[in-house]
Amino acid sequence: EDQVTQSPEALRLQEGESSSLNCSYTVSGLRGLFWYRQDPGKGPEFLFTLYSAGEEKEKERLKATLTKKESFLHITAPKPEDSATYLCAVQKGNTPLVFGKGTRLSVIA
Amino acid sequence: DGGITQSPKYLFRKEGQNVTLSCEQNLNHDAMYWYRQDPGQGLRLIYYSQIVNDFQKGDIAEGYSVSREKKESFPLTVTSAQKNPTAFYLCASSILTSGNTIYFGEGSWLTVV
Repeated sequence: EDQVTQSPEALRLQEGESSSLNCSYTVSGLRGLFWYRQDPGKGPEFLFTLYSAGEEKEKERLKATLTKKESFLHITAPKPEDSATYLCAVQKGNTPLVFGKGTRLSVIA
Repeated sequence: DGGITQSPKYLFRKEGQNVTLSCEQNLNHDAMYWYRQDPGQGLRLIYYSQIVNDFQKGDIAEGYSVSREKKESFPLTVTSAQKNPTAFYLCASSILTSGNTIYFGEGSWLTVV
């Protein structure tokens, strides 16, 4: 069975304290790996898509990387406004996305 | 503005009543989806549709029904057969189901009392 596991479940950082979120997956024939940001009570907002191992993408303080087994979302010098739940999802073949349970990030000023 | 509109944002219903959540998109996307989100559970797929008048069950379709009569619209009915309907419901759409980003609406909170 295809699985997506995100860790840690929750992460608390001081402002400026860089860290990484992990998304490990067991999917054969990965078509794409997606990262989303979700604020409380809102719909997820798209951040990145990664298609092949070795690929990296950046947006402001966020950088996403992909290997054959996992993806990392690196957050450099986070600010309080980066506080949110970060969701990882994978797509296999022609099927809809399968989501992990997310990592709740809190950045304290 | 282009986007996905879900309504209502908040809905309260008595147990045993059916309720329909609306989802409309003006992005000209082919595929539409319904996900359910519970605390600590992540997003779980209820139904999806790749084309008008066709849809497929997701992982948790029991107690739900959908229709896709127009490309822009994909309403979800939560029936009285759904045992734990209280949740946050998210509608999404994409150009195609394969390899394309899905975009979400703002969600609908359903509380059944």
